[in-house]
Amino acid sequence: EAGVAQSPRYKIIEKRQSVAFWCNPISGHATLYWYQQILGQGPKLLIQFQNNGVVDDSQLPKDRFSAERLKGVDSTLKIQPAKLEDSAVYLCASSVGTARGYEQYFGPGTRLTVT
Amino acid sequence: DAKTTQPNSMESNEEEPVHLPCNHSTISGTDYIHWYRQLPSQGPEYVIHGLTSNVNNRMASLAIAEDRKSSTLILHRATLRDAAVYYCILKSGSRLTFGEGTQLTVNP
Repeated sequence: EAGVAQSPRYKIIEKRQSVAFWCNPISGHATLYWYQQILGQGPKLLIQFQNNGVVDDSQLPKDRFSAERLKGVDSTLKIQPAKLEDSAVYLCASSVGTARGYEQYFGPGTRLTVT
Repeated sequence: DAKTTQPNSMESNEEEPVHLPCNHSTISGTDYIHWYRQLPSQGPEYVIHGLTSNVNNRMASLAIAEDRKSSTLILHRATLRDAAVYYCILKSGSRLTFGEGTQLTVNP
């Protein structure tokens, strides 16, 4: 079974530029998550989709971050404009559903450096 | 989300058992206890989860205290590949709230 795919794996941009990350979840997984992991910290949830609807975006900085999952499969996370503090690893995860007993499967992440 | 407390770091020797503790005194009756680990430069990886009873799978065992206020992840024979940050998480809804975890070092 193929895992969660993410691209690109690495990205370097200057502050105030825009950047987009792509995620392809495990086939059949209805729930998709985007996390931000700053160096030395645990991942923090940014947004959660159930199929193509947003379930939880309470921790997403909506003035600069946006995400979509138009057909309920692939997802894109965008930052516009980027700030220095956005330097982090952006992780995508998917799960079969939202129940407490379901595990999440994570992709390898995209390491973003903002200079 | 209820909070968990884990030691910042632990060390083990290769081929010996490892017991990773987690305290969660404010756990609610419906919270599941999940463990994930994160190897260097990789995304987190699911290890095991449980609700009330002890659980075993191919990777590890999870021992849950009778009052559910603490749990222990058991790696039966540590290998160098088990060196990672281990996260103990209480899952009350669909969200995983990661703390800082325990950095496990395995010595050859």
